[in-house]
Amino acid sequence: DGGITQSPKYLFRKEGQNVTLSCEQNLNHDAMYWYRQDPGQGLRLIYYSQIVNDFQKGDIAEGYSVSREKKESFPLTVTSAQKNPTAFYLCASSIKGGGSYEQYFGPGTRLTVT
Amino acid sequence: SQKIEQNSEALNIQEGKTATLTCNYTNYSPAYLQWYRQDPGRGPVFLLLIRENEKEKRKERLKVTFDTTLKQSLFHITASQPADSATYLCASKRVDSSYKLIFGSGTRLLVRP
Repeated sequence: DGGITQSPKYLFRKEGQNVTLSCEQNLNHDAMYWYRQDPGQGLRLIYYSQIVNDFQKGDIAEGYSVSREKKESFPLTVTSAQKNPTAFYLCASSIKGGGSYEQYFGPGTRLTVT
Repeated sequence: SQKIEQNSEALNIQEGKTATLTCNYTNYSPAYLQWYRQDPGRGPVFLLLIRENEKEKRKERLKVTFDTTLKQSLFHITASQPADSATYLCASKRVDSSYKLIFGSGTRLLVRP
């Protein structure tokens, strides 16, 4: 089955710890994205990548880091510098970068930091 | 600044009726709008894309309209079913980058049996 997988579904961490969220796609898509979703708010873009070995900051990149070493993988690290990391994190991909292309979303990872 | 807004109040309707959800945009003119469905605790799923030169687009029981004069898109579900209950998001291309989407906060639809 083609699609996007994110793991784990739920993640709990203590404050001050870095944590890495996994995102893998087998759709052969060039572009990948990370969003954060908080209750009552729209999706906010953290980072995006149009091609392997290249990525750009989104609107709320502070406290986050990414890598794109393989086309299929776009992991997100939530660092201890992120002031309010508890949220629902969504990874997405599209055939190419560009708003005219539909985005395919993973199931999400709910991160709780205490 | 660019804004895309959806009604934050939930829409509660009876099964069999038509649900109509609204997406308004201000301070820009999107070339197209996308609509997604999101179930609780899950990622959004793409439903439809409508371009500015298309007044209407249909897919099974779904219909989307795009009114550039009113700066509004309407999303209709005809013969609604309880399984249609979900949050519906609209999105459009950002003015500052062709590679990014801006999402509305979504409208929750509840269909009563």
